[in-house]
Amino acid sequence: NAGVTQTPKFQVLKTGQSMTLQCAQDMNHEYMSWYRQDPGMGLRLIHYSVGAGITDQGEVPNGYNVSRSTTEDFPLRLLSAAPSQTSVYFCASSYSEQSGNTIYFGEGSWLTVV
Amino acid sequence: AQSVAQPEDQVNVAEGNPLTVKCTYSVSGNPYLFWYVQYPNRGLQFLLKYITGDNLVKGSYGFEAEFNKSQTSFHLKKPSALVSDSALYFCAVRDGYGGSQGNLIFGKGTKLSVKP
Repeated sequence: NAGVTQTPKFQVLKTGQSMTLQCAQDMNHEYMSWYRQDPGMGLRLIHYSVGAGITDQGEVPNGYNVSRSTTEDFPLRLLSAAPSQTSVYFCASSYSEQSGNTIYFGEGSWLTVV
Repeated sequence: AQSVAQPEDQVNVAEGNPLTVKCTYSVSGNPYLFWYVQYPNRGLQFLLKYITGDNLVKGSYGFEAEFNKSQTSFHLKKPSALVSDSALYFCAVRDGYGGSQGNLIFGKGTKLSVKP
């Protein structure tokens, strides 16, 4: 009963390095998204996808890229890491983008950029 | 624009007492409202949601929430708090209006502390 799986759990990057946060779900969900969580700011949407081959920007997309080549996977790429990207990242999915569907979250990826 | 407000950064309750975590919302269309709980160093766990119908929604771990359309509120409640309920609670609205395609908009969270 895996649900939404994120890797890695913890990562330390140097400024300017690139990396990819992996996200996979085994529930055949069409909708997937990435959020970042910062103290006192709740969760903010980075990018989302309503199906394979379709992605769009959320509230805070700068410095991040995504792709959705399969229904199961939705990786988040940091192109050139900056200290401002130090955060906790959550991947999430739901059956569809329809508002009544519940969105389920992964366990998070803690990223520190030094 | 859709928004969610959680007016209290922290709520302190004694074990066994009832608890309420407040949430108000602003939406353009029908509200689709959610509560999530986050334990330390963990992901968000779904507690309950309101889509339509009965204004009192029951969820996981004995929690319930009352939808009040006139007050645009969706407060989370539990009749008898447990120390293990101590966590960070998020209210959210799923945005299905204006082409935003169903993204969750979160409040800033309320830290619940239940003391023995």
